[in-house]
Amino acid sequence: GQQVMQIPQYQHVQEGEDFTTYCNSSTTLSNIQWYKQRPGGHPVFLIQLVKSGEVKKQKRLTFQFGEAKKNSSLHITATQTTDVGTYFCAGWGSGGYQKVTFGTGTKLQVIP
Amino acid sequence: EADIYQTPRYLVIGTGKKITLECSQTMGHDKMYWYQQDPGMELHLIHYSYGVNSTEKGDLSSESTVSRIRTEHFPLTLESARPSHTSQYLCASGGRQGGTTEAFFGQGTRLTVV
Repeated sequence: GQQVMQIPQYQHVQEGEDFTTYCNSSTTLSNIQWYKQRPGGHPVFLIQLVKSGEVKKQKRLTFQFGEAKKNSSLHITATQTTDVGTYFCAGWGSGGYQKVTFGTGTKLQVIP
Repeated sequence: EADIYQTPRYLVIGTGKKITLECSQTMGHDKMYWYQQDPGMELHLIHYSYGVNSTEKGDLSSESTVSRIRTEHFPLTLESARPSHTSQYLCASGGRQGGTTEAFFGQGTRLTVV
């Protein structure tokens, strides 16, 4: 079945440093979504990418979808303590009854 | 804020008991999902549904069952709870058949089996 892996599993950064998490799928995706889960909370949708090579920005966050639609990345510039949490990518397969598969997640800790 | 609700939020129960975790959404979504998640860890898909009378098992082997008699309701039942079932259970819904909209998650049920 479809597998979606993320690296790194954990990342500790000093506040103000940049952070990147990478998402890799075993199969081609129709689109990819990113979610953030704060400690003790539930995943909350951040963004969806659909097109090959697509790049989207949300303030300090930059999301990219690979040309082959099998990988994606999330980059945070100048991290803040409010960025703490676990970031999940979620890939939708192709075909009639599509299923979403969540990545393994990257837990970000920001040291003030 | 998304209109998807889970009850109870917290549950402590003895081994061998039967329990049902409730999940309801008022967004008219066809797709609904149940995930099991240990704190800060991966989301493991245990069941999903694409609509009324449609249910499928997910990637994680589970001793639970689900039903989808109404669009808005997707309960999860454990026939005989075990300590290994201790975890957080997250329900999510998203979009209509053929669409790939975002998933909205409930607040979760934290289950402890003693």
